[in-house]
Amino acid sequence: EDKVVQSPLSLVVHEGDTVTLNCSYEVTNFRSLLWYKQEKKAPTFLFMLTSSGIEKKSGRLSSILDKKELFSILNITATQTGDSAIYLCAPSGYGGATNKLIFGTGTLLAVQP
Amino acid sequence: SQTIHQWPATLVQPVGSPLSLECTVEGTSNPNLYWYRQAAGRGLQLLFYSVGIGQISSEVPQNLSASRPQDRQFILSSKKLLLSDSGFYLCAWSFGGSGANVLTFGAGSRLTVL
Repeated sequence: EDKVVQSPLSLVVHEGDTVTLNCSYEVTNFRSLLWYKQEKKAPTFLFMLTSSGIEKKSGRLSSILDKKELFSILNITATQTGDSAIYLCAPSGYGGATNKLIFGTGTLLAVQP
Repeated sequence: SQTIHQWPATLVQPVGSPLSLECTVEGTSNPNLYWYRQAAGRGLQLLFYSVGIGQISSEVPQNLSASRPQDRQFILSSKKLLLSDSGFYLCAWSFGGSGANVLTFGAGSRLTVL
């Protein structure tokens, strides 16, 4: 059975701190791993990772994938209150007619001023 | 550019009543369409996906059904709602095909069954 485990479940930090969010997975016919940020409503796309060891970076956020050990991390440096959100990890596996994202339960990040 | 619309945004329904949530996508053809549910535990559970008109795949047995009457329209329905159907429902689309595709989500529909 496909499985995604994110840790920690929740995290409280102060502005300026650096955080690392973890995602381990077991997915049949793995294709890629996506990270999303969810504030109040719809998740918004952050990164898609398909290759091991290649860091993707966007501003203060970066992410990397290890396909051998089946995990990914999302780093946020110099956190701001606007980074407060649920961060969702979603590996994609091919099953049936298309790829399907399997979502973890997310990490709830709260950044205090 | 592509946009996704989902409605209604919020819905309060009594147990046993019917349900219809609608989702439409603009600016693309033959998208893959998905319905997810997010319960209080925050994880998103895939309910249905569709790769074409009339083609629906169900991921979990449940009290809900989905239909795709047009290329860019995806509907989530129930004949009789249960309390356990409460949750946040998200429609999403991706480009068609089996490549590694990014899902783009609608704004969601929050359903409360009383």
